[in-house]
Amino acid sequence: QKEVEQNSGPLSVPEGAIASLNCTYSDRGSQSFFWYRQYSGKSPELIMSIYSNGDKEDGRFTAQLNKASQYVSLLIRDSQPSDSATYLCAVQGGSSNTGKLIFGQGTTLQVKP
Amino acid sequence: DAGVTQSPTHLIKTRGQHVTLRCSPISGHKSVSWYQQVLGQGPQFIFQYYEKEERGRGNFPDRFSARQFPNYSSELNVNALLLGDSALYLCASSFATPENSPLHFGNGTRLTVT
Repeated sequence: QKEVEQNSGPLSVPEGAIASLNCTYSDRGSQSFFWYRQYSGKSPELIMSIYSNGDKEDGRFTAQLNKASQYVSLLIRDSQPSDSATYLCAVQGGSSNTGKLIFGQGTTLQVKP
Repeated sequence: DAGVTQSPTHLIKTRGQHVTLRCSPISGHKSVSWYQQVLGQGPQFIFQYYEKEERGRGNFPDRFSARQFPNYSSELNVNALLLGDSALYLCASSFATPENSPLHFGNGTRLTVT
């Protein structure tokens, strides 16, 4: 079992729709959760962080965390073509607790005009 | 303010050669981490340094080594290059230890081994 799992996609949504990206993790002791956006050929860019159960909203982005189910999600409202990118889920803490990030393989999002 | 800077941006090496990648963290940041990203995969943790001390090492062979200098910049060295070392190498810095402050990534060094 991979430590952090994401559906590689591609996930295709029309412009203006809600995109829903999902991630599960295996280490129940994980404490910090992040979503990074990576455009093709570029480096990852932090867009959301979440540390406690529930929802966290920032503009068009909402991160959701359910530690009991070991599940993290990212909702993108009013999706724009510029949101087309690979979204990486990253988990920190857990048994090693050295601060290293464990990434999923990423979900490719395509927003079609 | 300058972000995390990495050099070189692109590099082509031959199998068996050695490579040194460099990273300058954001001013004031004391922690540097290195990640390897193979095409189509998420980044994988290689090393973490804080205040010039190694705090963590990922599941990479001893051919990979790194260090952090007094000015908090860092080098990643890879010896005896293999074709499988071809990847994007990412450096990330944080103000404090990564478990206490978010990571900011540089633009990476694209290494191709032929």
